[in-house]
Amino acid sequence: EAGVAQSPRYKIIEKRQSVAFWCNPISGHATLYWYQQILGQGPKLLIQFQNNGVVDDSQLPKDRFSAERLKGVDSTLKIQPAKLEDSAVYLCASSDLVSHNEQFFGPGTRLTVL
Amino acid sequence: AQKVTQAQTEISVVEKEDVTLDCVYETRDTTYYLFWYKQPPSGELVFLIRRNSFDEQNEISGRYSWNFQKSTSSFNFTITASQVVDSAVYFCALSEADNTDKLIFGTGTRLQVFP
Repeated sequence: EAGVAQSPRYKIIEKRQSVAFWCNPISGHATLYWYQQILGQGPKLLIQFQNNGVVDDSQLPKDRFSAERLKGVDSTLKIQPAKLEDSAVYLCASSDLVSHNEQFFGPGTRLTVL
Repeated sequence: AQKVTQAQTEISVVEKEDVTLDCVYETRDTTYYLFWYKQPPSGELVFLIRRNSFDEQNEISGRYSWNFQKSTSSFNFTITASQVVDSAVYFCALSEADNTDKLIFGTGTRLQVFP
């Protein structure tokens, strides 16, 4: 079974530029999560989708971050404009519909904002 | 408020030593779930265990064991006879039943196992 796929793996941009990350969850997984992991910290949830609806985006900085999950499968996370403090690893995870079940994580995208 | 504390930032051991990683959590919910994940240098978080708040039985899986104690709000993880391949950052996480599925992570413990 294929795992969670993410691209790109690395991205370097200058502040005020925009960037987009892509995630393809495990086939059949209804729930998709985007986490931000700043160096030396644990991951923090940015947004959770169930199918193509948003379940929780309370910690998403909506003035600059946006995310979508068209057709309930792939998802993209965008930052526009980027700030220095957005430098982090962005992790995508997916899970099945069983509540509070194991989440499967992708390899992440490491973003550096200069 | 919900919180997970992993007080040990970094632990170094020599191969074959036993090591325990501590996790203390805070929650007002009576139903919740606790997790441990491993993050090797490749960066991908790997699920190790999920335990719900009603199941206080200790669990053993090979060289790994977990000690869940509600009285002290702790969910500690022990690796017996550590190996170099165990070197990674280990995260403890909490998920509350009255909340969405989001995981609240601790800051992680970096384990280095030297040959």
